[in-house]
Amino acid sequence: AQTVTQSQPEMSVQEAETVTLSCTYDTSESDYYLFWYKQPPSRQMILVIRQEAYKQQNATENRFSVNFQKAAKSFSLKISDSQLGDAAMYFCAYSLRTGNQFYFGTGTSLTVIP
Amino acid sequence: DTGVSQDPRHKITKRGQNVTFRCDPISEHNRLYWYRQTLGQGPEFLTYFQNEAQLEKSRLLSDRFSAERPKGSFSTLEIQRTEQGDSAMYLCASSLGTGARNTIYFGEGSWLTVV
Repeated sequence: AQTVTQSQPEMSVQEAETVTLSCTYDTSESDYYLFWYKQPPSRQMILVIRQEAYKQQNATENRFSVNFQKAAKSFSLKISDSQLGDAAMYFCAYSLRTGNQFYFGTGTSLTVIP
Repeated sequence: DTGVSQDPRHKITKRGQNVTFRCDPISEHNRLYWYRQTLGQGPEFLTYFQNEAQLEKSRLLSDRFSAERPKGSFSTLEIQRTEQGDSAMYLCASSLGTGARNTIYFGEGSWLTVV
């Protein structure tokens, strides 16, 4: 069974600083994708970044980057130059290549301190 | 692009009543998903459609739950004989094409409170 674990229920960061959110997952599959989604309060969940398991290079999207450690089944998100708008719940998610269903972690609530 | 639209956004119902949620996906998106999210948890998969065909259902989708997507456009999720344990946010999402490489777009969700 696929499981996704986020061990940090809450995190905080000073504006303009860098923060790293942790995620581990468990799977016996080899062909899968990993994602970080952002869910602002009372707003829809949006995709932050996506990583294909077969790609060794870590994905980056502007201020967002991941550290993908396939052997350790670890997938952390680094947010650089944090902004007030980054405050949200962040979910780590896993899916097989088919994308038929996603498995989400329990989320990390990120607070950005001005 | 209007995004994924869900209606109603909030619903309070008495235990035992039936409720129906509607989802309008992004135009021309052929995949549509339903997820359930309870407080303090991540979304949990319920079911998905490829056009009008319901291809996969989670064990969470008990006999009291039914989802439809007539003509491959909007979708409805009906819960019959609601129970307090059904209280949650019901999320709809859609994507164009198949596979995890295609971005899934979520709606803002429909909050259900069963009293």
